[in-house]
Parts: sequence; C-alpha cells; structure tokens
Amino acid sequence: SSELTQDPAVSVALGQTVRITCQGDSLRNSYASWFQQKPGQAPVLVIYGKNNRPSGIPDRFSGSSSGNTASLTITGAQAEDEADYYCNSRDSSGNLWVFGGGTRLTVL
Amino acid sequence: EVQLVESGGGLVQPGGSLRLSCAASGFTFSNYEMNWVRQAPGKGLEWVAYISSSGSTIYYADSVKGRFTISRDNARNSLYLQMNSLRAEDTAVHYCARDRLGYCTNGVCDHHYYYYMDVWGKGTTVTVSS
Repeated sequence: SSELTQDPAVSVALGQTVRITCQGDSLRNSYASWFQQKPGQAPVLVIYGKNNRPSGIPDRFSGSSSGNTASLTITGAQAEDEADYYCNSRDSSGNLWVFGGGTRLTVL
Repeated sequence: EVQLVESGGGLVQPGGSLRLSCAASGFTFSNYEMNWVRQAPGKGLEWVAYISSSGSTIYYADSVKGRFTISRDNARNSLYLQMNSLRAEDTAVHYCARDRLGYCTNGVCDHHYYYYMDVWGKGTTVTVSS
C-alpha cells in the first residue's frame, strides 16, 4: 500500500483561487479523485480522471497532476466551497484504495 | 435515481459482531464493483474493503483483514459487511461506494485508464463501546 499526503488546512479569500495538493507514489501510476465533504454529510465526488467533473459540479473546480502530485483548483472560491477535501487513488499494486488525510478549506 | 442506502449500524460491545447492508437502486448493481469506506469521529476517510462485480475478487485494508467480510447478493441488489471481533477503533460512520473504471480520451493522458468512486450512500454509524 502507499500513502497520500495533504496539507491539513488551507484558507482562501472569497472569490480568489486556491489550490489543494495531494502527494504520493501511487499518483505516478494513477489519477487522483477528489471529494468534497461538508459537516454531517457523505463525501461528494468533484473531480475524477485527468480533469473530469460529475454532473452538477461547478466548473470552478478543476484537477491537474504532475509526477507524484495531484492538485484540485477552485477558481473563484465561494462561501459554499468551505468544506473538507479528500484525494484518493488506487495504490501502487492497483488493487487497494488509499485516501489522503484531508484538507479543511476555509473561505474568508 | 442512482442511490445507495446503508443500514445495520448500532451500538455493540468490544468483541461483538455486526452486519451492515447497503441497498442499491437506480442502476444495474451486478455490473459494478463496490467498496466500504469508513470515517471515525473527527477523522479522515479510510477505505475498508472492495468486492468485484461477481464477488470473485475481494480486498481488505490491513486494519480489518481477518475480522471483516465483504459480500454481495446481486439478486437482491445488496452489499454487505460482516464485522466480527469489533474494537473501539472500529467506531465510525461506514459508507458504501460504487467503484468505476474510466478511460482517458481528452488530450495527452498520463494514464490511459483510472478508477474512482462515483456514488456514495449517506452512511450508517457503528459504535463499539462497553
């Protein structure tokens, strides 16, 4: 198995752009997915694959990757984007799943 | 509407057992791999177990291997997690999540295929305490 590392907390001013990163060896072999989780709610998929958004996810959310690092970018952050964000991917074996520790996003 | 609904959570003593269920609707359940993911209070997400569409391939996280058993009944559109020898550290909200395989078709791709969990239930809470 492998680990995915995220910054525990990030803040952004309303309307500004923020990038949340996820690092790990498994990302050399697989794209990360990104989930948004608000208090008391289940995680919601916001980005998957190279840079795909499920239906209903605003286009201010985008994803990118380079080497062992995946990034989630929110361009023009809104108050409703304040949440915990998790990355995940299959591990280096391709069989097991790993999650990052999560990043708490505060919109100021 | 594609939906997953977990049930079966509750309060159990250390060393006890519990069986969680996940009812799927709105899609052809037998075509999809499935997962259990859990979240301890105030903590992050932890993958627990995976089962292939036919049930022939199963994987577990090291933290539950030998104690938990994932299974499915495609005729009943249901996923299960049998949890034995429960410990305090198993206290968590347990989610079922659908597993998907995607192919990169837009532009230059670092990886030609990828996996993701696209649909999640609302979760069921397991509390292990005396």
